[in-house]
Amino acid sequence: NAGVTQTPKFRILKIGQSMTLQCTQDMNHNYMYWYRQDPGMGLKLIYYSVGAGITDKGEVPNGYNVSRSTTEDFPLRLELAAPSQTSVYFCASSYSSGMRGYTFGSGTRLTVV
Amino acid sequence: TQLLEQSPQFLSIQEGENLTVYCNSSSVFSSLQWYRQEPGEGPVLLVTVVTGGEVKKLKRLTFQFGDARKDSSLHITAAQPGDTGLYLCAGEFNDYKLSFGAGTTVTVRA
Repeated sequence: NAGVTQTPKFRILKIGQSMTLQCTQDMNHNYMYWYRQDPGMGLKLIYYSVGAGITDKGEVPNGYNVSRSTTEDFPLRLELAAPSQTSVYFCASSYSSGMRGYTFGSGTRLTVV
Repeated sequence: TQLLEQSPQFLSIQEGENLTVYCNSSSVFSSLQWYRQEPGEGPVLLVTVVTGGEVKKLKRLTFQFGDARKDSSLHITAAQPGDTGLYLCAGEFNDYKLSFGAGTTVTVRA
């Protein structure tokens, strides 16, 4: 039972490069989320999706894009990486209501230099 | 964006002592959740509270939800080194998205 799987675990990017953070879940959850976590700042919502083909912006979407072509996958795309995007990124999924809790992946630590 | 304030930011105690972490908001929660996060891992759900005044216990952990559903607390009795971690509260405000507090880093010294 894998839950939420994120790849890669670590990545170093140069300013201006692009990359895709992968996220897949095997729990048949409709709702998926991308958060970034910075020291002392908690988790900030980047994008979310309520089902295949539907995505929406969260609190801090600038510099990121997402797609949701299947229920299982929710990749996060960084275009033109900037030092401000250095962070730990978490993907999560849930049933229709957040009340039942989120299941998180183990995160991707990204450094932009 | 709904604001959740957690206090204290850091807490360091000796094994066997008790501790309490607080989570407050000016808005009413539909539900509130507590997560624990260990280094290099994602947060893991500990509990969800929904009803004002609700108290839930998970072994040595006691979770309270304020009567007005604007605040919550996490109390650990006789803390152990295995309780060390980052504790996060997260509030659901009438939709399925959670807003997270900044977290409380708890260190329990043996």
